[in-house]
Amino acid sequence: GNSVTQMEGPVTLSEEAFLTINCTYTATGYPSLFWYVQYPGEGLQLLLKATKADDKGSNKGFEATYRKETTSFHLEKGSVQVSDSAVYFCALTFNQAGTALIFGKGTTLSVSS
Amino acid sequence: GAVVSQHPSWVICKSGTSVKIECRSLDFQATTMFWYRQFPKQSLMLMATSNEGSKATYEQGVEKDKFLINHASLTLSTLTVTSAHPEDSSFYICSARVWLAKSSYNEQFFGPGTRLTVL
Repeated sequence: GNSVTQMEGPVTLSEEAFLTINCTYTATGYPSLFWYVQYPGEGLQLLLKATKADDKGSNKGFEATYRKETTSFHLEKGSVQVSDSAVYFCALTFNQAGTALIFGKGTTLSVSS
Repeated sequence: GAVVSQHPSWVICKSGTSVKIECRSLDFQATTMFWYRQFPKQSLMLMATSNEGSKATYEQGVEKDKFLINHASLTLSTLTVTSAHPEDSSFYICSARVWLAKSSYNEQFFGPGTRLTVL
């Protein structure tokens, strides 16, 4: 079946540290990959996406590259801020009508000043 | 961008009562809406897929008679938790999927969620 595995948290970093959150997937076919962010008390927001192999999604200093050979979509940011503290979800879906997103378990990031 | 609203944002009810949650796409039409459930500090679990004008498709293990879904129009889907019990307490999130011609892609937009507490 299709599934997403992401690193367990929580991840605790100091401001300006480098961030990596690992995400790997299992899928039949060629999915599109996403990172969503959920800030405390808020709903999910799309952070970035990549729809085919070798695509790099980027937004707000975050980036992730769709690696088909390693079935991975790791999230990175060069210098985190306190405001980046949130829960990050890796997800996949297929570009077909009626297909839902499949989420990883989420990784909580806590950034201190 | 596309906006999805949910109402109410939170609700507290007594055990045995029914609760209806509305999900609306405010500025676009969504042929497909999804309902998720999120437990504290856990991921989103898909409950059902709702297509306008047809019966919802429920995921394995989700009781369709307990979680009634109605998708009467292209902008509104409702989830009714019937005879709610404390174990139904959770965060319920809907999303709406729309075809974006600009990117030739189905984009999914999420509502802010509804916190249900059953006493």
